[in-house]
Amino acid sequence: IQLTQSPSLLSASVGDRVTLSCKGSQNINNYLAWYQQKLGEAPKLLIYNTNSLQTGIPSRFSGSGSGTDYTLTISSLQPEDVATYFCYQYNNGLTFGSGTKLEIK
Amino acid sequence: EVQLVESGGGLVQPGRSLKLSCAASGFTFSNYYMAWVRQAPTKGLEWVASITNSGGSTYYRDSVKGRFTISRDNAKSTLYLQMDSLRSEDTATYYCTRGGMVLLDWGQGVMVTVSS
Repeated sequence: IQLTQSPSLLSASVGDRVTLSCKGSQNINNYLAWYQQKLGEAPKLLIYNTNSLQTGIPSRFSGSGSGTDYTLTISSLQPEDVATYFCYQYNNGLTFGSGTKLEIK
Repeated sequence: EVQLVESGGGLVQPGRSLKLSCAASGFTFSNYYMAWVRQAPTKGLEWVASITNSGGSTYYRDSVKGRFTISRDNAKSTLYLQMDSLRSEDTATYYCTRGGMVLLDWGQGVMVTVSS
């Protein structure tokens, strides 16, 4: 399964509601996770099974979707959210999207 | 606290071998599947290989099948990746991860550079 993330680069202001998209080449059956990777750091799990928040992750992060289309939403963007975000599917093989780089405007 | 500490990376010539290690702590190692994920410079993430908690089954991406071998020593809480016949396209940071499907925790990564 191939994953296409959009946009590849997103610039938003602190406090904005931000939405990142991930589209699969076939049905993912909700086996979709999101990772955050800050510059020079290892990826960190944010969301798994489409909408389950990993322990310790702020509640401003949420996930949704079904079938082939999935979304990560940050309800109120914070400066510390600057990072690249990857979606990842584990329904059929293990594949990552190409990432969305999130910047502060 | 879960800790995954990779070691063994470095500069290696094409066609040569390298063995990565990942020392795990903070959880019962023998209860978890483990995996290696890599990231080429300025590129995205790519799953490389996985191993069941017992070590009885292993899985590889097509491009490394027959060249890489994932293994584990549950008594030492250590994961390994033996990389043979290395190619320039194997150049990447290699991450050790906890989990089989959902990759729960990641090490800081170790750089492998394949170049003459």
